[in-house]
Amino acid sequence: GESVGLHLPTLSVQEGDNSIINCAYSNSASDYFIWYKQESGKGPQFIIDIRSNMDKRQGQRVTVLLNKTVKHLSLQIAATQPGDSAVYFCAEEGVDSSYKLIFGSGTRLLVRP
Amino acid sequence: DGGITQSPKYLFRKEGQNVTLSCEQNLNHDAMYWYRQDPGQGLRLIYYSQIVNDFQKGDIAEGYSVSREKKESFPLTVTSAQKNPTAFYLCASSRGSNTMDAFFGQGTRLTVV
Repeated sequence: GESVGLHLPTLSVQEGDNSIINCAYSNSASDYFIWYKQESGKGPQFIIDIRSNMDKRQGQRVTVLLNKTVKHLSLQIAATQPGDSAVYFCAEEGVDSSYKLIFGSGTRLLVRP
Repeated sequence: DGGITQSPKYLFRKEGQNVTLSCEQNLNHDAMYWYRQDPGQGLRLIYYSQIVNDFQKGDIAEGYSVSREKKESFPLTVTSAQKNPTAFYLCASSRGSNTMDAFFGQGTRLTVV
């Protein structure tokens, strides 16, 4: 069945370093992916998205990379700041075109001062 | 400002009681969703609605019910049939197109006492 999973449940980085959060997806037919950031007690916030016809997309301090060959998605955060501490989820659009989002279990990013 | 609003933020329920969680959006989005989040886990889809007066079961619909009488509103009822209702509930909306730019509410934390 469809599933989205994450390699690292917790990532600890030094402030100022770059962070890389990884995600594996199982359905090769998925064509749309989103990264969300969720702070404690709040709803997820959209960070960046990417379509399967792209390999890379850049935003402000964030970059998403998509490797369709190995069904892998990553989120890179440049110059990580304390405010980046949160749980990050990747999500893929359900391939039955029902506009459902399938979420992974999340990675917690901890930024050390 | 446009947005999606969930209420209440915290909700306590006695065992055996039904309780309804509110979700309202003024983004003119066609699609709305309810997710459940348990501690340390990802989001699981309960119900979703792509258009007014229509909704579909998600992955964990048992013990829940919804209605979509208005485009702006998608209330979720947690019934007494839901055996483990204590969780964080998140509502989201999107345009329902392929872009899947879902916006999330701030969540309702339901506790059964």
